[in-house]
Amino acid sequence: SQKIEQNSEALNIQEGKTATLTCNYTNYSPAYLQWYRQDPGRGPVFLLLIRENEKEKRKERLKVTFDTTLKQSLFHITASQPADSATYLCALPANQAGTALIFGKGTTLSVSS
Amino acid sequence: NAGVTQTPKFRVLKTGQSMTLLCAQDMNHEYMYWYRQDPGMGLRLIHYSVGEGTTAKGEVPDGYNVSRLKKQNFLLGLESAAPSQTSVYFCASRDGDYGYTFGSGTRLTVV
Repeated sequence: SQKIEQNSEALNIQEGKTATLTCNYTNYSPAYLQWYRQDPGRGPVFLLLIRENEKEKRKERLKVTFDTTLKQSLFHITASQPADSATYLCALPANQAGTALIFGKGTTLSVSS
Repeated sequence: NAGVTQTPKFRVLKTGQSMTLLCAQDMNHEYMYWYRQDPGMGLRLIHYSVGEGTTAKGEVPDGYNVSRLKKQNFLLGLESAAPSQTSVYFCASRDGDYGYTFGSGTRLTVV
């Protein structure tokens, strides 16, 4: 079965710097990969979806890359702000049919001013 | 447009009691999901539905049952609650390959 690893449980950076979070998967290359943000006591919120034929996707200060050779996605937040502090989850289809997502355990980002 | 609504938000159960968690979505989404989230374990899929009248097992289905009698509602039942089912439960829905919309969660404690 597919497995996800987000290899940093916590990441601390200074305001204005770029945060880079990593998501690795172990088996077949998924048709797409998603990133979510979760604040304490709240449900995850969808941020970006990147498909296997897309190398890079951007949304405002967010950038996601998808390298099917390395089996890895990188999630970047540029010009980070304290309001970006949250847990970020990587997710991809649990099976080839894509009927459900599995989620990584998340990386908690703290941006200090 | 409320999105995904979960009720109740908090509940304390005694071991052996039963309860039903309700999830309602107003976006006409086909797919609905129940996840549980525990510290250090991340989100784990319990059951899901790909349409009205359908259900399927996820990664951790034991001790739970589900029903999707109406497209907008997805119910999660615990027939005989156990302390191991203490968790935060999230419902989600989606349309196509797009991102999930999650509810705000139900915090369940079984004592």
